[in-house]
Amino acid sequence: GQNIDQPTEMTATEGAIVQINCTYQTSGFNGLFWYQQHAGEAPTFLSYNVLDGLEEKGRFSSFLSRSKGYSYLLLKELQMKDSASYLCAVSPADRGSTLGRLYFGRGTQLTVWP
Amino acid sequence: DTAVSQTPKYLVTQMGNDKSIKCEQNLGHDTMYWYKQDSKKFLKIMFSYNNKELIINETVPNRFSPKSPDKAHLNLHINSLELGDSAVYFCASSPRLAGTYEQYFGPGTRLTVT
Repeated sequence: GQNIDQPTEMTATEGAIVQINCTYQTSGFNGLFWYQQHAGEAPTFLSYNVLDGLEEKGRFSSFLSRSKGYSYLLLKELQMKDSASYLCAVSPADRGSTLGRLYFGRGTQLTVWP
Repeated sequence: DTAVSQTPKYLVTQMGNDKSIKCEQNLGHDTMYWYKQDSKKFLKIMFSYNNKELIINETVPNRFSPKSPDKAHLNLHINSLELGDSAVYFCASSPRLAGTYEQYFGPGTRLTVT
């Protein structure tokens, strides 16, 4: 089975840094995605990690440790518009019944206060 | 230019009715998906199609029937609607059938069954 775990809620203030953690257990591993979803809108792609280490993209960075089944999304210089749900999604091995699948965590609702 | 579009955006109907949701993507992608996001924001795969061929058919009641007339369109027909079908349904697409590609989501269809 697939198990993806992330905190339900987090709060932070404008200008701060926040780290959203995600742990996973899947049958095979083909990469981990982070998506952002504002209330009432569609999820939008933020990052993809398949190798261990940190991927930086502007104010957002994503880290992966495959041996630990662990990832985090780091958001710097927080802005009010960053208030959203952040979804961790794992792609299991691309074979058989898991071909092309994404398994999502339940999302972390981030609230940024002024 | 809308990449992935869905109609309708809102759908309110009574139990027992039959309804359809339509999805179109103009990205030239090979693979399309239907997801269901419940009231707790959990995003779960329902179906995926690759070049009009059904690939993933998750454990979904057979009242749900997808249809892909061509690789740019994926529709979802639901028979005998039940209260538990109330959710937001997202269509998504990706360039190829592989878990290494990001998925592009449509704006969602909020279905309310009364």
